[in-house]
Amino acid sequence: DADVTQTPRNRITKTGKRIMLECSQTKGHDRMYWYRQDPGLGLRLIYYSFDVKDINKGEISDGYSVSRQAQAKFSLSLESAIPNQTALYFCATAPAGDYGYTFGSGTRLTVV
Amino acid sequence: AQKITQTQPGMFVQEKEAVTLDCTYDTSDQSYGLFWYKQPSSGEMIFLIYQGSYDEQNATEGRYSLNFQKARKSANLVISASQLGDSAMYFCAMRNTDKLIFGTGTRLQVFP
Repeated sequence: DADVTQTPRNRITKTGKRIMLECSQTKGHDRMYWYRQDPGLGLRLIYYSFDVKDINKGEISDGYSVSRQAQAKFSLSLESAIPNQTALYFCATAPAGDYGYTFGSGTRLTVV
Repeated sequence: AQKITQTQPGMFVQEKEAVTLDCTYDTSDQSYGLFWYKQPSSGEMIFLIYQGSYDEQNATEGRYSLNFQKARKSANLVISASQLGDSAMYFCAMRNTDKLIFGTGTRLQVFP
């Protein structure tokens, strides 16, 4: 099994629908992150969490919310999806104070 | 503000030749880390190499080396003896207070 698992891998949804992207990890890392990748823009940070009770907004949090259900689980929600949220989404984890970031395989989301 | 700049949207290199991918960064922190990731067409993020700001020697990992010039705030990736399988997007990133900030990437194409 992968260390960081993202589900679903691919999703097509309609404008206005609520959608949740899930991330689970077996690394035992405290820190978890959600990034979004758009062509020509690199990866941009949406939300991050340093432990279960710690949630922080990143560079582009508008239109998104997150939930850290447990140390191992960090979910990203789009309450009302819009077409410009079409992107590749990555979950990542890291231990505190270390550089060992681990990325999931990504979720390719299309909003039509 | 923390920032990573990759000024080469695309690069071409012939197989077996060396290639340098440019990365400059901006930070006022004394302690930081610099990363390079590879993203093949399949989409996953593959860690290549890491350089800490206090590391005196340039990092090397197999065919990858990081040319770290602290005074110039540059962290260029050098790939020696390019292979066809090196064709991919390459991202430079900087760790800032346990978050990764990414550049916009360089698409490398290796031709026979």
